[in-house]
Amino acid sequence: EDQVTQSPEALRLQEGESSSLNCSYTVSGLRGLFWYRQDPGKGPEFLFTLYSAGEEKEKERLKATLTKKESFLHITAPKPEDSATYLCAVRDFNKFYFGSGTKLNVKP
Amino acid sequence: SAVISQKPSRDICQRGTSLTIQCQVDSQVTMMFWYRQQPGQSLTLIATANQGSEATYESGFVIDKFPISRPNLTFSTLTVSNMSPEDSSIYLCSASPIGDNEQFFGPGTRLTVL
Repeated sequence: EDQVTQSPEALRLQEGESSSLNCSYTVSGLRGLFWYRQDPGKGPEFLFTLYSAGEEKEKERLKATLTKKESFLHITAPKPEDSATYLCAVRDFNKFYFGSGTKLNVKP
Repeated sequence: SAVISQKPSRDICQRGTSLTIQCQVDSQVTMMFWYRQQPGQSLTLIATANQGSEATYESGFVIDKFPISRPNLTFSTLTVSNMSPEDSSIYLCSASPIGDNEQFFGPGTRLTVL
């Protein structure tokens, strides 16, 4: 049973074209939902933690939101340097579950 | 947060040999994890490294193939034993600091087995 599902698998945007990535989850005891950015050949870089429905976090062109069943990572006016794979993870007590990621490609 | 370093950053090894990867954290952490990531794929958890006791392995991973040590709250090693080309992958160490719910990652070790 999948605990975390991310969509789409891949997303191609033009520079400046805003969009959203989705992360849906099913856990019994959520102790946090996390977003990471991963560049090729590197370890995931922590972006945000969300704990409760309605919570929002922002960093530069990225904004993460959380509902009871899913999270969105909104990318406003993306630039080519935002191209990366974005991973979502949830913590259920002492276990972490990762989604398969969304590979974002922003073309100039 | 936590800053995590791994050694080596990459290696090329011969079939049948073993490689030990080191993971050092700049602060004391509760949990430490070892992941494997194939090119273009997501993360696969190998095991949770427990301080002072045996690691907890995920389904499909066994201690004889991936022995893990964690002698203290800031350091862990993963050994990939009797390697075959199928073990070629990126191996990632991660840790969750004391009092934090987040998990932070090291830069990874790129392993190629010939």
